[in-house]
Amino acid sequence: DVKVTQSSRYLVKRTGEKVFLECVQDMDHENMFWYRQDPGLGLRLIYFSYDVKMKEKGDIPEGYSVSREKKERFSLILESASTNQTSMYLCASNESGGQETQYFGPGTRLLVL
Amino acid sequence: GESVGLHLPTLSVQEGDNSIINCAYSNSASDYFIWYKQESGKGPQFIIDIRSNMDKRQGQRVTVLLNKTVKHLSLQIAATQPGDSAVYFCAESNTGTASKLTFGTGTRLQVTL
Repeated sequence: DVKVTQSSRYLVKRTGEKVFLECVQDMDHENMFWYRQDPGLGLRLIYFSYDVKMKEKGDIPEGYSVSREKKERFSLILESASTNQTSMYLCASNESGGQETQYFGPGTRLLVL
Repeated sequence: GESVGLHLPTLSVQEGDNSIINCAYSNSASDYFIWYKQESGKGPQFIIDIRSNMDKRQGQRVTVLLNKTVKHLSLQIAATQPGDSAVYFCAESNTGTASKLTFGTGTRLQVTL
């Protein structure tokens, strides 16, 4: 079975802090994704990566950056957390070509105070 | 931009009955569709997918129907069980792959005993 893990289930941070969210997948997938999920808005794509050191902006990249130094790991960085970044963050992965569905991690619920 | 939406935000069904969850999409170029299930506190889990060259696909207790004429997608769950209680999302892509998905906002399915 595909396994996508996220470093934290719950995080509480203060405004202005730098926040790192880590995601690891064990299926040697080329593609990895970061989404945020908010009530009534569904999942929105922040960034995705189709290879090591490659990244592309999604629909809402403002306030975020990403890092993919290793194939299995994709990090989401909030350079200076703000209260409007309080959300559920979901990581996903799939194989190159995307013929298979995206597999999701359990999510990180981030609260920014 | 294009969007994917759901007709009903909450659906309540009795255990043993069949459930039908609907999804309307607006992008006529969409050619790949996925249904996800998200249980409380968990990430979305793949249920079933369908490509635009099909109008029906069956899985275990689930069937997805695609009507391209009216841009409508539905998920049918046979003999609904308490474990089916979750939020269900549809997602669509116009690339034929699962690497660029647009998600609906979700329908909550409540199974009553």
